[in-house]
Amino acid sequence: DVKVTQSSRYLVKRTGEKVFLECVQDMDHENMFWYRQDPGLGLRLIYFSYDVKMKEKGDIPEGYSVSREKKERFSLILESASTNQTSMYLCASSYFIAGGLSEQYFGPGTRLTVT
Amino acid sequence: ELKVEQNPLFLSMQEGKNYTIYCNYSTTSDRLYWYRQDPGKSLESLFVLLSNGAVKQEGRLMASLDTKARLSTLHITAAVHDLSATYFCAAQVMDSNYQLIWGAGTKLIIKP
Repeated sequence: DVKVTQSSRYLVKRTGEKVFLECVQDMDHENMFWYRQDPGLGLRLIYFSYDVKMKEKGDIPEGYSVSREKKERFSLILESASTNQTSMYLCASSYFIAGGLSEQYFGPGTRLTVT
Repeated sequence: ELKVEQNPLFLSMQEGKNYTIYCNYSTTSDRLYWYRQDPGKSLESLFVLLSNGAVKQEGRLMASLDTKARLSTLHITAAVHDLSATYFCAAQVMDSNYQLIWGAGTKLIIKP
């Protein structure tokens, strides 16, 4: 079974703090993704990565950065947390198949509250 | 604008009934995904539909894809309470870096 783990289930941070969210997958998947999920807004893609040291902006990259130094690990960084970044953050991974990507495998999510 | 629209967004139904969730997408896509999310939990993949006319079934759920109509459906047969969840569809955008465009989700409540 594919396992995607995230470093924390719940996190409370103060405005202005630098926040690191870690995601690790154990199935050698090439692709990794960071989403945020907010009520009524569905899933919104923040960043994704197709390979080590590669990153691509998603729909809402402002205020975030990412790092992928190893294939299995994809980190999301909030440089200076703000209250509007309070959300559920979901990490996912997938692999390449003919014509595109496999389904995405999601981690359990990190519920971040910024006060 | 690339859009995926699900309807209904909320559905309350009785056990034993049949119903269909619709997923319309505005972009050319040859791949459609369905996911399930239980309250407070993460997303779990249900189906990947890879071609026009594709139909997949798992238990009481059946998904289909019509790429010409840009429509996918998720049909629930003889609903049971355990199927209560939020269901998302997502379309893979062709001629891109394989980004997915997500629907807003359909919250399904099945009453005993």
